[in-house]
Amino acid sequence: DVKVTQSSRYLVKRTGEKVFLECVQDMDHENMFWYRQDPGLGLRLIYFSYDVKMKEKGDIPEGYSVSREKKERFSLILESASTNQTSMYLCASTQGGPPYNEQFFGPGTRLTVL
Amino acid sequence: DAKTTQPPSMDCAEGRAANLPCNHSTISGNEYVYWYRQIHSQGPQYIIHGLKNNETNEMASLIITEDRKSSTLILPHATLRDTAVYYCIVRPNFGNEKLTFGTGTRLTIIP
Repeated sequence: DVKVTQSSRYLVKRTGEKVFLECVQDMDHENMFWYRQDPGLGLRLIYFSYDVKMKEKGDIPEGYSVSREKKERFSLILESASTNQTSMYLCASTQGGPPYNEQFFGPGTRLTVL
Repeated sequence: DAKTTQPPSMDCAEGRAANLPCNHSTISGNEYVYWYRQIHSQGPQYIIHGLKNNETNEMASLIITEDRKSSTLILPHATLRDTAVYYCIVRPNFGNEKLTFGTGTRLTIIP
């Protein structure tokens, strides 16, 4: 069964802390994505990666960075967490295409920054 | 990506067909219609996608109008587990794979 896992379901951090969110997929997918989800705003793309060591900015990359050292793992880094980064973070992966079909999502990490 | 418009919420009786509309009047010829749903506290889940022909799979049917300016997702026999937010997304089937999610339709299945 296809699986995308995220390191934590819930996380509480303090302002200024460095935060790592980990995502692992077991489907040998080339493409991986990080989104954040906020009430009334839907899902917004932060960063994505088409291959190991490759990354591209999404719609809201400010305040975030990513790392993809291995194909199955895509990490989201908050260098200095701020309260406006309190959100639900969702990781997704998909096989390289075309055709482009479904993105598989992880269960999400709810991050609270105090 | 083309903008989509969905009603913010809908109710449907359990066992009945749930019909979720989506307007995408600015869709271009190479753009597909995708549907995802998100059950509370879970990540989004792919349902179905199509270009211009109607599509059906084990989860749902997708009806796209002839002018492709709107579509309807049909859940033929809704169950309580179908309560979720449903997202209609329009994007090309090539290029980068970014999905632009709007705010979707919150579907509530009523016992």
